[in-house]
Amino acid sequence: GAVVSQHPSRVICKSGTSVKIECRSLDFQATTMFWYRQFPKQSLMLMATSNEGSKATYEQGVEKDKFLINHASLTLSTLTVTSAHPEDSSFYICSARDLFRETQYFGPGTRLLVL
Amino acid sequence: GDSVTQMEGPVTLSEEAFLTINCTYTATGYPSLFWYVQYPGEGLQLLLKATKADDKGSNKGFEATYRKETTSFHLEKGSVQVSDSAVYFCALSDAGNTPLVFGKGTRLSVIA
Repeated sequence: GAVVSQHPSRVICKSGTSVKIECRSLDFQATTMFWYRQFPKQSLMLMATSNEGSKATYEQGVEKDKFLINHASLTLSTLTVTSAHPEDSSFYICSARDLFRETQYFGPGTRLLVL
Repeated sequence: GDSVTQMEGPVTLSEEAFLTINCTYTATGYPSLFWYVQYPGEGLQLLLKATKADDKGSNKGFEATYRKETTSFHLEKGSVQVSDSAVYFCALSDAGNTPLVFGKGTRLSVIA
C-alpha cells in the first residue's frame, strides 16, 4: 500500500534551536500534504496545508513564521520549527493525499522534545 | 462546516468481546468516510474506508457501513484481541485536496 515516511522519528533539542522534519510520499505523488500536531491523549490538530510549488495555508492560531513549511517537490514537504521552545514539544504528524486512491496516508510521526 | 462525532472513550473490553464504536457525521456534500487506528507511539494507519452510501469497508475483522440515511459509519468487530488496543479515529473527506475532518478519537483497551 501507499507509504508516507517521516524523518526523524524522534528529536531532542535545546531551546532556541531550529528543527527540520521531513515528510515523503514513497510511492505516489502528492500535490498536497498536511501537517498535524497531537498532544497526549488528544486528537490531531491540523496546523497547515502544504501545497507543492506555492505557499502553505496555515490554520488560525498557527504562527507561520515559527512553523516554516516548504513543499519543493511532489514527494517531499518539510516542516521547520524555528527557535523551538519547550511548549513546542509535541508529536508532529504529516499526511499526504493520494488522489488516485482517494485516501490520505499518514507518516509515523516525529516526537519533538525541546529542553 | 463538516464535522464528525464519535463515542467518547475509553472503552475497555475483554478479549473476544464484540466491539462497536459509534460515529456520525455532518457534511454538505457526499464525503468519503474513514476509520484510522493509532497504536501507542505511532502515527495513524488507515483501517478501512467507504466512498459512497451503502458501501461497506472491512479490514482485519473490522467493518463499517456507510449509512447515508442515518449519517453514520459505526465501526464493528465481532471478536476483539488484546492487539486491537489502540485509539480509533473516524474521519471524513470531501472531494479534492481538503484536509480530513476527524472525530476526537476513541481509546480501546482489550484485556486478556
